[in-house]
Amino acid sequence: NAGVTQTPKFQVLKTGQSMTLQCAQDMNHEYMSWYRQDPGMGLRLIHYSVGAGITDQGEVPNGYNVSRSTTEDFPLRLLSAAPSQTSVYFCASRRMGQVRSGANVLTFGAGSRLTVL
Amino acid sequence: AQTVTQSQPEMSVQEAETVTLSCTYDTSESDYYLFWYKQPPSRQMILVIRQEAYKQQNATENRFSVNFQKAAKSFSLKISDSQLGDAAMYFCAYRRGEAAGNKLTFGGGTRVLVKP
Repeated sequence: NAGVTQTPKFQVLKTGQSMTLQCAQDMNHEYMSWYRQDPGMGLRLIHYSVGAGITDQGEVPNGYNVSRSTTEDFPLRLLSAAPSQTSVYFCASRRMGQVRSGANVLTFGAGSRLTVL
Repeated sequence: AQTVTQSQPEMSVQEAETVTLSCTYDTSESDYYLFWYKQPPSRQMILVIRQEAYKQQNATENRFSVNFQKAAKSFSLKISDSQLGDAAMYFCAYRRGEAAGNKLTFGGGTRVLVKP
């Protein structure tokens, strides 16, 4: 019963380096998303996906790429890291559909702390 | 665009006492969901309680209850009989309806300190 698994938990990068944050869920959730959390700003949506092969931009997509080749995995790529991308990143997933079911609540991963020097 | 505002950066409460956290939101929609999430020092985001806008009855979950005022666009969280384990950041969040892609919009958070 793993839920949403994110790796790595911590990462330090130099400006200009690239890396991928991994996210996997074992709940067969259609919807997956990436948020970043900065002090005093709550969580902001970066990208999201409503199913394999379908992705879309959220509130703060610049500097990030995503893909969804399977239902389970939703990696977040930083192509050229910048200090402004220092943040804590959360992956989250939920079921979709079932109008007014009230059951479609986001399940979050444990977060990944990224520091860009 | 929807916005969620938490006007209290920090609240302090004595153990066993009650604390109320404020949240207001801005929307023109009639069908939406509201949530309170707890984030302890472990960083894990934990759902505390949720409210469907079409339900008039306020949601409750054990020691946690909400006061949902739809006309005023207010959604406060009451923590009763506060425990040391309640110390955390609390985030209010809004989501419009059930349509695919409707994102969760978060407030800036309120830090709750529990004094023994």
